[in-house]
Amino acid sequence: QSALTQPRSVSGSPGQSVTISCTGTSSDVGGYNYVSWYQQHPDKAPKLVLYDVDRRPSGVPDRFSGSKSGNTASLTISGLQAEDEAEYHCCSYAGSYNLIFGGGTKLTVL
Amino acid sequence: EVQLVQSGAEVKKPGESLRISCKASGYIFTNSWISWVRQMPGKGLEWMGRIDPGDSYTNYSPSFQGHVSISVDKSMNTAYLQWSTLKASDTAVYYCARSDSRCDSWGQGTLVTVSS
Repeated sequence: QSALTQPRSVSGSPGQSVTISCTGTSSDVGGYNYVSWYQQHPDKAPKLVLYDVDRRPSGVPDRFSGSKSGNTASLTISGLQAEDEAEYHCCSYAGSYNLIFGGGTKLTVL
Repeated sequence: EVQLVQSGAEVKKPGESLRISCKASGYIFTNSWISWVRQMPGKGLEWMGRIDPGDSYTNYSPSFQGHVSISVDKSMNTAYLQWSTLKASDTAVYYCARSDSRCDSWGQGTLVTVSS
């Protein structure tokens, strides 16, 4: 079971939009609508920002949105803010009660 | 408010055993699975496995099967992650998380350092 594939880094200027991709297989991302995304600031625990592909937990701004096409899920952050600079991790259900994470993407706000 | 509070940092030698803990509050402990997630220095998150506190059913990632053990004490609302023989490569931060198809609440992390 290989980790889901994410770009190592992305960047954008304040106010812009960025999209982070997360590619798996038909056994995980493509097979279930159970993709979640986590924001992690340095030396902090991860925080859930999206689940079930495109659902936001209470308190997460609507600047965060998600989608999925085939074996690739995407997280889009619009209206970038300095506080969005963090590591972002995707996660998918992979059947048989297993989860699998991506390698993480470092978002830099220029 | 859901809270997961983990035990403190540990420094161990290779070959030693270790058990770290994750105490849950703010919800019915037996209603949600608990997952353990590893983060090695400078790396991404790795799902290790999870346990159903209701019946102690566990399943492990193939990468961790046989090397760690996950257990619970329902009377204490606490989940555990245990090693019988630590290796230097086990040095990492370990997180517990309340999970089903997603991890919606996380502990603060426990740093485990294994060094001779």
